[in-house]
Amino acid sequence: GQQLNQSPQSMFIQEGEDVSMNCTSSSIFNTWLWYKQDPGEGPVLLIALYKAGELTSNGRLTAQFGITRKDSFLNISASIPSDVGIYFCAGLGYGGSQGNLIFGKGTKLSVKP
Amino acid sequence: DSGVTQTPKHLITATGQRVTLRCSPRSGDLSVYWYQQSLDQGLQFLIQYYNGEERAKGNILERFSAQQFPDLHSELNLSSLELGDSALYFCVSRGDRFTDTQYFGPGTRLTVL
Repeated sequence: GQQLNQSPQSMFIQEGEDVSMNCTSSSIFNTWLWYKQDPGEGPVLLIALYKAGELTSNGRLTAQFGITRKDSFLNISASIPSDVGIYFCAGLGYGGSQGNLIFGKGTKLSVKP
Repeated sequence: DSGVTQTPKHLITATGQRVTLRCSPRSGDLSVYWYQQSLDQGLQFLIQYYNGEERAKGNILERFSAQQFPDLHSELNLSSLELGDSALYFCVSRGDRFTDTQYFGPGTRLTVL
């Protein structure tokens, strides 16, 4: 089945640093989504990418849809303490998909003030 | 606030019991997805309904079932519960079939003792 490899698994950074995480897959996806999940809460959609090569920003967050359609990355600039949480990538597959998302295992971000 | 509501927020029950989780999608959204999040398996797609009809099944056990009612709310029924069923269960709402963005509810945390 389709799987997403998300890395790194965890990051511990200093406030103000930039963060980069990525997802790769052996399968092609036609949509990539990035979510953030706080403890005890549901994932919140951060950025949606619909086109290969697309680069989209949401405040300090920037995400790109890889040209091969098999990868995506998320960058967070000038991190702040409220960026703490688990970030998930999710892909929506081609052909035959009913729209269910395939999720990466998540990147746990810790920010040191 | 994603606009998706789920009840109850927490549920504690014993092995062998049966529970029902309830979800109301965002106003006007026809699609409802159910996902399970556990520490070892991550976020896994269970089942999808669109306008009252089952559309896709993922890794859903035979002990689990779901339905979507005419008012579009959905229920996930879990029976013969086992310890390993303890997890967060999320309902996800999606708009028309051409909108790939999916919005998570706050989740129901199920603990089976």
